[in-house]
Amino acid sequence: QQPVQSPQAVILREGEDAVINCSSSKALYSVHWYRQKHGEAPVFLMILLKGGEQKGHEKISASFNEKKQQSSLYLTASQLSYSGTYFCGTGSGNTGKLIFGQGTTLQVKP
Amino acid sequence: SQTIHQWPATLVQPVGSPLSLECTVEGTSNPNLYWYRQAAGRGLQLLFYSVGIGQISSEVPQNLSASRPQDRQFILSSKKLLLSDSGFYLCAWSKVHTTGNSGNTIYFGEGSWLTVV
Repeated sequence: QQPVQSPQAVILREGEDAVINCSSSKALYSVHWYRQKHGEAPVFLMILLKGGEQKGHEKISASFNEKKQQSSLYLTASQLSYSGTYFCGTGSGNTGKLIFGQGTTLQVKP
Repeated sequence: SQTIHQWPATLVQPVGSPLSLECTVEGTSNPNLYWYRQAAGRGLQLLFYSVGIGQISSEVPQNLSASRPQDRQFILSSKKLLLSDSGFYLCAWSKVHTTGNSGNTIYFGEGSWLTVV
């Protein structure tokens, strides 16, 4: 079943923060975050495998609450380069395939 | 390092014509392979995945088919395209999945833009 992302779209000014949420009605065993620029393929950002795990890369970090079956992606002091569509993906079954949420479009303005 | 290539990058095809998109992976063996589709402004829909040569699983009943004639080659086909087949098609690969339901990190090719007219 497809995870649900919120919000659907966010508009920010440079330097502002944003949070993107990903939740599932089924048990979450892992969460994968990707970013896609317009007209390009999605690029892997990070994976969270354990409940309570937090990861970060520069000013982009994420948390995984296994009990609540949700994950959040945090973008702090946003830059123009952060613009794009963010997808969360979750494992489905024991085949390794990922099912993605519908995406959250982030637009950072000067 | 591993690389993935797919082609053609763009194509415009008339309704009812056939389709063939090809994807190859280099630098790894026995990868899992996937075809995703993204309609304009929409999310990523998994169409097919393969865990080995000749092993294809279809996720969504549709007008498309997939084949894996070689270990690192994945082909998406259609005999007769529909207008609704238009979209951005992405081939992807991952390492062989080992245990549990955690899912594999997948890596996407550059994508193929298909417009059916």
